[in-house]
Amino acid sequence: GAVVSQHPSWVICKSGTSVKIECRSLDFQATTMFWYRQFPKQSLMLMATSNEGSKATYEQGVEKDKFLINHASLTLSTLTVTSAHPEDSSFYICSARRGEAAFKETQYFGPGTRLLVL
Amino acid sequence: EDQVTQSPEALRLQEGESSSLNCSYTVSGLRGLFWYRQDPGKGPEFLFTLYSAGEEKEKERLKATLTKKESFLHITAPKPEDSATYLCAIPAGGTSYGKLTFGQGTILTVHP
Repeated sequence: GAVVSQHPSWVICKSGTSVKIECRSLDFQATTMFWYRQFPKQSLMLMATSNEGSKATYEQGVEKDKFLINHASLTLSTLTVTSAHPEDSSFYICSARRGEAAFKETQYFGPGTRLLVL
Repeated sequence: EDQVTQSPEALRLQEGESSSLNCSYTVSGLRGLFWYRQDPGKGPEFLFTLYSAGEEKEKERLKATLTKKESFLHITAPKPEDSATYLCAIPAGGTSYGKLTFGQGTILTVHP
């Protein structure tokens, strides 16, 4: 099966610092990756769509200057939380889209990154 | 607007007690339906993709089926390790191509 990794798996930082989270598709190329955040006992909330070689598309209400996304290669997307504050503490999950056949594709998720801002 | 509704919200089973989870959807042109399993503190784990009505897929104790309006995830003789939240999702088309609309999930608890 397709494998998507995230690094780090958890991070604790001080308020005001920036944190970078990496998402890698290990055994396939992904022109599109997605970033989600998830609060306890809630479903995944899409933050942005990351397209290789172009600017990310952010969902309504997500601050693009706070959550910087870079998709520099077909296997790597990064999410940088800038000037993190305690309210940014959450579980961040990425997914990568893989084409299976014509008009058929599946999305595979990473294991998630737990961010705690003190 | 695409919509996905899962039921029940929570399901408690005894080990060995088979049951089904439901995922009903409304979409203009189905481009696939995904089932995932999510354990606490982890990202969703891919289970199945179904593309057309009548399609069925199986994996161990799980079997997913699809009709034109809903999908079922059948769990046969479940074990405690099957306890998790099960999510279904459909991908958008058009300018939102690939974006997933998730159901709220079914929390499955299997007691030994």
